[in-house]
Amino acid sequence: DIQMTQFPSSVSASVGDRVTITCRASRGITNWLVWYQQRPGKAPKLLGSSTSGLQSGVPSRFAASESGTDFILTISSLQPEDFATYYCQQASSFPLTFGGGTEVALK
Amino acid sequence: EVQLVESGGGLVQPGGSLRLSCAASGFTFSNYCMHWVRQAPGKGLEWVANIKQDGGKKYYVDSVKGRFTISRDNAKNSLYLQMSSLRADDTAVYYCARDPDEYGNGWYYFDYWGQGALVSVSS
Repeated sequence: DIQMTQFPSSVSASVGDRVTITCRASRGITNWLVWYQQRPGKAPKLLGSSTSGLQSGVPSRFAASESGTDFILTISSLQPEDFATYYCQQASSFPLTFGGGTEVALK
Repeated sequence: EVQLVESGGGLVQPGGSLRLSCAASGFTFSNYCMHWVRQAPGKGLEWVANIKQDGGKKYYVDSVKGRFTISRDNAKNSLYLQMSSLRADDTAVYYCARDPDEYGNGWYYFDYWGQGALVSVSS
């Protein structure tokens, strides 16, 4: 199985801050990596990926990119509605696997 | 508008069975692969199972193989998860989710999710 390592597991930030979340796969996933946002008590919401871009309606302050073997989600200027937990997921092969999540909390 | 609505969750004793349903609307259900994803209380997300458009191919995470069965009824626009030999570590919110690849073999991620159904396994 492909293990997804996501870090940090949590981050405390203020409105307006830049936040970066990184995900790394235990073996090659050919760029098949997507990101989700989950607010408390709600279902996850697809944000997008570096290959397919952001989903319609996702604000442009979110960006998905790659650097070497790392997959990166950046929130350029944190807004109140962005305080949530973020997950990466490899879409390369079964079993599909998620990173452990990054909780973005208010400082 | 795409909608996925799960039902059938509840409290069940260890070793028991439960069947989850997911009613789909707002899209041509028979054109899409579908998935079940679960989330234990306070924990992360875990993919559970996938089914192709015609129900001919199914995939499962190892921890549920032989105990869970995914199925679908395209005439009823419905997805199912039959769960048996339930264990305490199956306790989770179970989400029905759509794969965004229409007609194809699947892109293996999830563009629409239901609100979830809570399954609690306890004596």
